[in-house]
Amino acid sequence: EDKVVQSPLSLVVHEGDTVTLNCSYEVTNFRSLLWYKQEKKAPTFLFMLTSSGIEKKSGRLSSILDKKELFSILNITATQTGDSAVYLCAVGDDKIIFGKGTRLHILP
Amino acid sequence: GAVVSQHPSRVICKSGTSVKIECRSLDFQATTMFWYRQFPKQSLMLMATSNEGSKATYEQGVEKDKFLINHASLTLSTLTVTSAHPEDSSFYICSALRAGTDTQYFGPGTRLTVL
Repeated sequence: EDKVVQSPLSLVVHEGDTVTLNCSYEVTNFRSLLWYKQEKKAPTFLFMLTSSGIEKKSGRLSSILDKKELFSILNITATQTGDSAVYLCAVGDDKIIFGKGTRLHILP
Repeated sequence: GAVVSQHPSRVICKSGTSVKIECRSLDFQATTMFWYRQFPKQSLMLMATSNEGSKATYEQGVEKDKFLINHASLTLSTLTVTSAHPEDSSFYICSALRAGTDTQYFGPGTRLTVL
């Protein structure tokens, strides 16, 4: 059974802290791993990872994929209150399997 | 737990026909379900919010007469793409809001190809 597991389910940190969100997967056919940030409306696309070991970076956010160990991490450095959201990991092929998300709350 | 299914997973249809996509929450009740469309570069666009027993709320720019949504029970919402055109070809994803929580669970998506 295909599955995507995210950890932790929730996380509360103080502004300025660095956080690491985890996503592990077991799927029959892997094409890409996607990270989204969900606040109120549609999830906002962050990264798409297809190759192992290549870090993708956007501002304070970065992500990397390990296809051998079947996981990815999303790092956020110098967190801000605006980073508070649910972060979703999804693995896509013909279908897209979402994890249950990590609810991140940044305290001022 | 908290599994959401979509049916069909993939559909190919001719231009002008209608296609119905089902979204089911298998092991929980969902008073609210959301329909998304995935665009190139992986962005997700919220199309509408479906509330059980009432009319769906459509996002700006989404034609409600073209994308018919019905949420007849606490575990089922359907999206019907009427008079489909090739530009409607896309990946449609639903999510279900577990009753009493603010957590959304996503379905695996339906890939629609209109010839």
